[in-house]
Amino acid sequence: DAGITQSPRHKVTETGTPVTLRCHQTENHRYMYWYRQDPGHGLRLIHYSYGVKDTDKGEVSDGYSVSRSKTEDFLLTLESATSSQTSVYFCAISSRGVYNGTDTQYFGPGTRLTVL
Amino acid sequence: GNSVTQMEGPVTLSEEAFLTINCTYTATGYPSLFWYVQYPGEGLQLLLKATKADDKGSNKGFEATYRKETTSFHLEKGSVQVSDSAVYFCALRWNNAGNMLTFGGGTRLMVKP
Repeated sequence: DAGITQSPRHKVTETGTPVTLRCHQTENHRYMYWYRQDPGHGLRLIHYSYGVKDTDKGEVSDGYSVSRSKTEDFLLTLESATSSQTSVYFCAISSRGVYNGTDTQYFGPGTRLTVL
Repeated sequence: GNSVTQMEGPVTLSEEAFLTINCTYTATGYPSLFWYVQYPGEGLQLLLKATKADDKGSNKGFEATYRKETTSFHLEKGSVQVSDSAVYFCALRWNNAGNMLTFGGGTRLMVKP
């Protein structure tokens, strides 16, 4: 299994509070991704990173920010959590972009976030 | 834009039955196609993939063929087991920077003994 951990694994918070989720990898992969999983929607990309300090928005980035100060860590922050952000959040990594050839995304175990 | 459509579940089968989960896609260019599987309480795992038209991906008895003419990538298995019970996601990768995936909504498979 790819070395990906997510913390916390479960969190319950209240509307309006800030929340930070952490993704940590031991594979030294360049690309990292944050997805949210909701019933009927599959996984939707929130933000991704293609290197240290290099990030970009995905399909559902509103209300989220990210940071990547080290290769191994990719943080997802909800500045002011809302009930619509209740979801399961997955981090993924891959070693190459499409221009370097095809590659696989490996997923972490997920974080279940409930916003009351 | 890019999109992936899967048959809605749940799909309930008896052990040793034949499985088909339909997946069709809309994309510009020639995307790579994937099937991921998610077992209860876990993250997604790559099941199989195909990178060009007419390629067949296969793994653990599952297979899917990249059909450009019908823009489809249906997942099949000849004889399912209880341990195959999971949620299956079809996905496509954009052929541009970032190695990004677009997922279908997922299909839950339940296999009964």
